[in-house]
Amino acid sequence: GAGVSQSPSNKVTEKGKDVELRCDPISGHTALYWYRQSLGQGLEFLIYFQGNSAPDKSGLPSDRFSAERTGGSVSTLTIQRTQQEDSAVYLCASSLTMIGGGELFFGEGSRLTVL
Amino acid sequence: AQSVTQPDIHITVSEGASLELRCNYSYGATPYLFWYVQSPGQGLQLLLKYFSGDTLVQGIKGFEAEFKRSQSSFNLRKPSVHWSDAAEYFCAVGGYQKVTFGIGTKLQVIP
Repeated sequence: GAGVSQSPSNKVTEKGKDVELRCDPISGHTALYWYRQSLGQGLEFLIYFQGNSAPDKSGLPSDRFSAERTGGSVSTLTIQRTQQEDSAVYLCASSLTMIGGGELFFGEGSRLTVL
Repeated sequence: AQSVTQPDIHITVSEGASLELRCNYSYGATPYLFWYVQSPGQGLQLLLKYFSGDTLVQGIKGFEAEFKRSQSSFNLRKPSVHWSDAAEYFCAVGGYQKVTFGIGTKLQVIP
């Protein structure tokens, strides 16, 4: 596609349920990033992928969070047993190159609300 | 570890006035530096970037930024602000791998 696509754009779930957030990067972009944006918290780095591997998972807040990327393309961020503090906008970005991080192209985000 | 500090959470300027948004970074080598803008209801868009060379970089929408290694700073400037510049601005530093963002500065423009 022309840009980074994220789905769903909005997700409301109950505490304790699992959610999956999907990211379709720009075709040909080898690097893919997940960030979390909460009010007053800026962009919190979660994880990045180079191809299908994730060299740096240090930003994942807890073991309830996991992510995978298949075929060097689509990525899924999974949050198990959601908590209210997980409510945020989850942003995905892709980049043509890892060098210097490259220019990141962001999706519109998935807004997660945990009741 | 790399980090970015944006000391001003919220700034208000009058339309037509000049603007400077501050950014300080921490990185062990020559950094790659970025400014992104997030307009209300829209995704983040790259304003400008510094990789090497001239320390004064020009970006879109009339913005510029100056890399000062001695001060570990990469401040964003615009000579005359327009009402459409009201948005949130993020400074970011990239190393060989991940890109780290600051907390953001929210810009309000008053008539």
